[in-house]
Amino acid sequence: RKEVEQDPGPFNVPEGATVAFNCTYSNSASQSFFWYRQDCRKEPKLLMSVYSSGNEDGRFTAQLNRASQYISLLIRDSKLSDSATYLCVVNDLGGGADGLTFGKGTHLIIQP
Amino acid sequence: EAQVTQNPRYLITVTGKKLTVTCSQNMNHEYMSWYRQDPGLGLRQIYYSMNVEVTDKGDVPEGYKVSRKEKRNFPLILESPSPNQTSLYFCASKKGARSDYTFGSGTRLTVV
Repeated sequence: RKEVEQDPGPFNVPEGATVAFNCTYSNSASQSFFWYRQDCRKEPKLLMSVYSSGNEDGRFTAQLNRASQYISLLIRDSKLSDSATYLCVVNDLGGGADGLTFGKGTHLIIQP
Repeated sequence: EAQVTQNPRYLITVTGKKLTVTCSQNMNHEYMSWYRQDPGLGLRQIYYSMNVEVTDKGDVPEGYKVSRKEKRNFPLILESPSPNQTSLYFCASKKGARSDYTFGSGTRLTVV
């Protein structure tokens, strides 16, 4: 079975700190990768796609390591508003299914 | 505004009373999907559709039905709801196989 694993946390981090978390995936044939953000009881929203060359968007950096089968998310200068659950998503495009497998999420709490 | 719209947002019903949760997208997306989210279990896919009249089971299809008669609509039907179907439900759509999903705002269902 295809697996996407994340540390559930919670990660308690002081405001202004840098925080990083990883996500591992089991299917080496996985083709595309995403990070989503989900606030409590709200819908998941796309944070960023993860490209082979890495991807940076402001304070957020996502990287892919195909050899070790993990993706990472780095948040610099963390803000209180970054508190949320971050979902790792892997697209396998295999077996006729719609391909997307969601991790269970990492809960991040930014403390003042 | 490009969006996925699901209704109702909140629903309380009794065991055995058939209900339908509607989902509509205005982005001309090919793929649509239904997920349920429960504490500690993450997002679990119920059904998905790759195009009109094409639907397939996800990970937890038991007790649910779907239909895709039109590209924009993908209703979720619970013929005989039971308390274990109490959950937060999300509808989502995406353009193609490699794309990311856009989610609706969610439906919180309680079956008593």
